[in-house]
Amino acid sequence: AQSVTQPDIHITVSEGASLELRCNYSYGATPYLFWYVQSPGQGLQLLLKYFSGDTLVQGIKGFEAEFKRSQSSFNLRKPSVHWSDAAEYFCAVMGGADGLTFGKGTHLIIQP
Amino acid sequence: DSGVTQTPKHLITATGQRVTLRCSPRSGDLSVYWYQQSLDQGLQFLIQYYNGEERAKGNILERFSAQQFPDLHSELNLSSLELGDSALYFCASSPLWDYRYEQYFGPGTRLTVT
Repeated sequence: AQSVTQPDIHITVSEGASLELRCNYSYGATPYLFWYVQSPGQGLQLLLKYFSGDTLVQGIKGFEAEFKRSQSSFNLRKPSVHWSDAAEYFCAVMGGADGLTFGKGTHLIIQP
Repeated sequence: DSGVTQTPKHLITATGQRVTLRCSPRSGDLSVYWYQQSLDQGLQFLIQYYNGEERAKGNILERFSAQQFPDLHSELNLSSLELGDSALYFCASSPLWDYRYEQYFGPGTRLTVT
């Protein structure tokens, strides 16, 4: 069965600084990978997804992620964070009929 | 606003009771997914329906059941409730059954079992 690990439970970044959120997955075949964001009191919103092709994918709100098969990673990046980026971020992998498997999430705090 | 609606927003009930959560997908979406988000288990996929038929099953307890009606809205029934069932329950919808289509999430129903 597939699994997702997000090693960082909390990350604090200063506004304007760059961001990288880590995600490692486990899946036997080529995975379908996703990053979702959950703002307080809201449902999840898809930031970006990777199915195949170019390993650097662009998403909404200025986010990007890079798929590295050799490291089983799909890290999310943003060059300059804004206070509105404070939220919970979830990495997910899809495989087979088991549906989306989510990581535990990373809580992003933005310092002024 | 994702276009997915869930009712009620909050639900407080006692152990042993039964509740029904309702989800209306985005207009035109045929697939509905249910997820449970709790502090200890995180976000877990429960079940997927596509055009009225069960499509995929995740970590759904036998005490839980779901269905999708001809008008495509879906209901998640939780029975013999336990304290550990307290969680945020999300519904999501997508156009087709394939997971590669983006899932649009509703705002969730917060269930508190006392």
